[in-house]
Amino acid sequence: DAGVTQSPTHLIKTRGQQVTLRCSPKSGHDTVSWYQQALGQGPQFIFQYYEEEERQRGNFPDRFSGHQFPNYSSELNVNALLLGDSALYLCASSLVPGQGNTIYFGEGSWLTVV
Amino acid sequence: AQSVTQLGSHVSVSEGALVLLRCNYSSSVPPYLFWYVQYPNQGLQLLLKYTTGATLVKGINGFEAEFKKSETSFHLTKPSAHMSDAAEYFCAASHNAGNMLTFGGGTRLMVKP
Repeated sequence: DAGVTQSPTHLIKTRGQQVTLRCSPKSGHDTVSWYQQALGQGPQFIFQYYEEEERQRGNFPDRFSGHQFPNYSSELNVNALLLGDSALYLCASSLVPGQGNTIYFGEGSWLTVV
Repeated sequence: AQSVTQLGSHVSVSEGALVLLRCNYSSSVPPYLFWYVQYPNQGLQLLLKYTTGATLVKGINGFEAEFKKSETSFHLTKPSAHMSDAAEYFCAASHNAGNMLTFGGGTRLMVKP
């Protein structure tokens, strides 16, 4: 049973560019969330997708956007990259949003902005 | 707004010694609580979670945590540390129906031989 898979694992972008990160949820999961983890810090919630709609959003600017496809996979897009966007981006999946459902994380995509 | 605080960004113990990692949450309503472990250059792995019921929760790799409502705490313990326990540990809380997790800042556990 494949867990949460993310691609690419590492990438380097230049300030001002745009990036797209991809995530396939764990088999059977229909809810995908994205987190940003800056170096030396805990992950911060970006947004969550369920039934192809953004259901919740954390305190991130509109430069961060996402999409969920009918097969539950998801993309995270970041426009106009800033140096401060350099971080590990984690995708997490779970079943229908519910209290205390186990959330599984992928290994993340390391983004470096230069 | 809910917050999670982990006391001690770095904890060092000797192999075989007790591991105690501290976590406190701020919430008027007890949240659902989780501990995750992150090994270098990897994602997060769930160690254990508290939802309802028994306040002492047992997890993987010999870890356990106790939910104490009166102290708003959810400390993680392991009776005997192993070298393979060296990693970053994150406490997290979920309060709403959407499973959004609020993480603490993390505690790096170092295990000395």
